[in-house]
Amino acid sequence: KAGVTQTPRYLIKTRGQQVTLSCSPISGHRSVSWYQQTPGQGLQFLFEYFSETQRNKGNFPGRFSGRQFSNSRSEMNVSTLELGDSALYLCASSPTPWETQYFGPGTRLLVL
Amino acid sequence: QKEVEQNSGPLSVPEGAIASLNCTYSDRGSQSFFWYRQYSGKSPELIMFIYSNGDKEDGRFTAQLNKASQYVSLLIRDSQPSDSATYLCAVNMLGTYKYIFGTGTRLKVLA
Repeated sequence: KAGVTQTPRYLIKTRGQQVTLSCSPISGHRSVSWYQQTPGQGLQFLFEYFSETQRNKGNFPGRFSGRQFSNSRSEMNVSTLELGDSALYLCASSPTPWETQYFGPGTRLLVL
Repeated sequence: QKEVEQNSGPLSVPEGAIASLNCTYSDRGSQSFFWYRQYSGKSPELIMFIYSNGDKEDGRFTAQLNKASQYVSLLIRDSQPSDSATYLCAVNMLGTYKYIFGTGTRLKVLA
């Protein structure tokens, strides 16, 4: 089976812009979670989608949003980018929210 | 108190030794526990998971879970320089649709 894929892998944006990141889960996986990873904060949970519904959300401002499509692919959007949004954004998929998560390679976002 | 705590390290062990990584969690409702390994610049990769109290072995890796004391540990036998990485502990509570990760322990295996 193909693993979790994320696009793009690298992204450079400027403050105030918005960005959309994409995640394709492993075939058959219906749960997709998003994380932000920075050197100082570690892996921070953003949100989780299961069967197209957001089931849980982390402590991030409303500038961070996401959605899941009927084929389980997911996107996350960050509007009005700030310098502090520079991070590695990781997507993880699992068959259900309670089963083992498998991570994609991540999207490295740099905000200038 | 953090929900999942790990010593950030670095934990340095000589090649061939046993590396012991520990993780404590605060929520007694936690049901499943995972260890991930993350090399610098890469994404986390699953090493193993454990649901029940006791030990679970997979090759050179052994996960140990003690729900009464709320800790989970990972033992790496015959440590190799290629094991040098950050090890992340993750906890999942049934019904929460959320994994909580520790900040990770950096392991250095010295050749």
